[in-house]
Parts: sequence; structure tokens; C-alpha cells
Amino acid sequence: ELKVEQNPLFLSMQEGKNYTIYCNYSTTSDRLYWYRQDPGKSLESLFVLLSNGAVKQEGRLMASLDTKARLSTLHITAAVHDLSATYFCAVANQAGTALIFGKGTTLSVSS
Amino acid sequence: EAQVTQNPRYLITVTGKKLTVTCSQNMNHEYMSWYRQDPGLGLRQIYYSMNVEVTDKGDVPEGYKVSRKEKRNFPLILESPSPNQTSLYFCASSFFSGANVLTFGAGSRLTVL
Repeated sequence: ELKVEQNPLFLSMQEGKNYTIYCNYSTTSDRLYWYRQDPGKSLESLFVLLSNGAVKQEGRLMASLDTKARLSTLHITAAVHDLSATYFCAVANQAGTALIFGKGTTLSVSS
Repeated sequence: EAQVTQNPRYLITVTGKKLTVTCSQNMNHEYMSWYRQDPGLGLRQIYYSMNVEVTDKGDVPEGYKVSRKEKRNFPLILESPSPNQTSLYFCASSFFSGANVLTFGAGSRLTVL
């Protein structure tokens, strides 16, 4: 059974500092996704990582994938308040019928 | 505008009163799916559909039904809602065959008393 674990589940960040969120998954998968959810809102796709060593960057966020370690990281550079949200990683199951989501990491940025 | 539309967005109902949450997408996507989101549990798949007339159970299908008679619509039916079905529900669709980059609806918050 595919399991996806994120840590930390909560992260209180200071403006201007760097942080990393980790996403581990239990079985082989060739597709990993990162989503953002603002309070009371829907999920918005951030990144799709399709191969070992893949790196995607958008603004202050950078996601990477190590399929051998079954690990993806989401790195935040110089946190700003606008990044406060819950971030989910999700992995496609082998049958391709579902994305299995982690429990989410809630980021809070304070000055 | 390309989107997934869910209705109702908010609903308070009572145990046993049948209800349907509608989902419609205007992107000609083949794949559609329903998830529920609960605090501390993340998102869990209820049902999915790979194409018209092709549906199957996800991880938490008990108490739910779906149908896919047209490509654009994928309603979620609660025949006899119970309080443990109080949750935030999301419909999602994907252009690619199977679960891929999902476009989510705005969500439907359901409370069963």
C-alpha cells in the first residue's frame, strides 16, 4: 500500500529565512506532485516532478525529487507572508487511478 | 474559463436525507475523481472514473455512490448520509489518462446532523 508522509506537519517561519519540507513515500512511483491550499480554498497545482533528479522552481519555492530515496523536498527561500498556506505532496499510485496525498504541511510566516 | 464546478458549496442536512453533490468540468477531461478532506487525515479518494460509464472505488467508498453518464458530469450521491460523512468534498479532473495533474473544484462543505 502506498503511503505518503510529510514532515513537519506545522512550520512556523520567520520572514527572510530558509526552510525545507520533506515528503517521503513508501513504494515506487514515477510521478510526484506538490499542491498549495489557502485557508478555505481549493488546491492549486504547484509542481509536477516526473523523473529522478527533477528540479522545478517557481519564485521562492523549489521542489526536487529523488526516486531512489523515495523523497521529495520543497525548499523555501527567504520566506514571505504570502507563502503562508498548507502544502501537500501527492504521489500517483501504480495503477494510475489515484493521487495519494500526504497530510499536508501548514506554513505560517511571521515578521 | 476552464474549471471544475461543484454544487452546493455548503450544505447542512440531517441523517438519512438523500443528497447529491454535482460536479461538472468544461475541459473535456476523461478522468474524474472525488476526494474528501478531513482534519489530520489529508485527502482521501472516494471514487474515480477513467471515462464515461467507467467508475471504481477509491480508498473510502462506503456510503457513497457515483455515476458517469456524460463526460463532463460526475455526481456524488449520499443515499443515507450519516454524521461521519461530515467533511469537505473535492471533485477533481485530469486531462491525461488516469490520475495526473488534477484540477480541483472549489469544494463542498457538508455537515450531517
